[in-house]
Amino acid sequence: DSGVTQTPKHLITATGQRVTLRCSPRSGDLSVYWYQQSLDQGLQFLIQYYNGEERAKGNILERFSAQQFPDLHSELNLSSLELGDSALYFCASNKGGDPYGYTFGSGTRLTVV
Amino acid sequence: QKEVEQDPGPLSVPEGAIVSLNCTYSNSAFQYFMWYRQYSRKGPELLMYTYSSGNKEDGRFTAQVDKSSKYISLFIRDSQPSDSATYLCAMSLSGTYKYIFGTGTRLKVLA
Repeated sequence: DSGVTQTPKHLITATGQRVTLRCSPRSGDLSVYWYQQSLDQGLQFLIQYYNGEERAKGNILERFSAQQFPDLHSELNLSSLELGDSALYFCASNKGGDPYGYTFGSGTRLTVV
Repeated sequence: QKEVEQDPGPLSVPEGAIVSLNCTYSNSAFQYFMWYRQYSRKGPELLMYTYSSGNKEDGRFTAQVDKSSKYISLFIRDSQPSDSATYLCAMSLSGTYKYIFGTGTRLKVLA
């Protein structure tokens, strides 16, 4: 157990629907990162939050949004889902001051049918 | 051309072999270099990190960075079947925590 908790582990939904993925960071970590992992693209950075504020944005689609709450947990919202959104979505966390890596959760496997 | 290139493998080696995993990159401004290991159906796990050029050793693992060639390597000595996993390199610019990952190399260590 890495200490980063992601729920749900698996999600199957239809095209056009909206889903919410949840992440609880490791105790003491202030920064949360979201990544998308697909077979052909590998791990792609989506967005970073630090202590409730957005810090960096990657190639995150406009249909996707995220937030970090006062208790530091984070949610990634995916809407108007398309077949191509099927992927593993990982959350990672660190204290925010350490440039050397972060701890990943086990991921949420999203399947859009 | 991708910023970070990594041979996808799979790479199959016998138990006890020395494994060499490599990544090349195009952005000379990258300063932080990391290697992650990912087992099937799990999240990536940080193995090694280095800052700028040089070598770093941790047990059976050695990470090397050659900034002049834009090339990083991970060596695994005395490889074990439990080392069978996908190995991802990652790198970032100074002052940012956004990591650029390679697509990963699948390693199989045969008993």
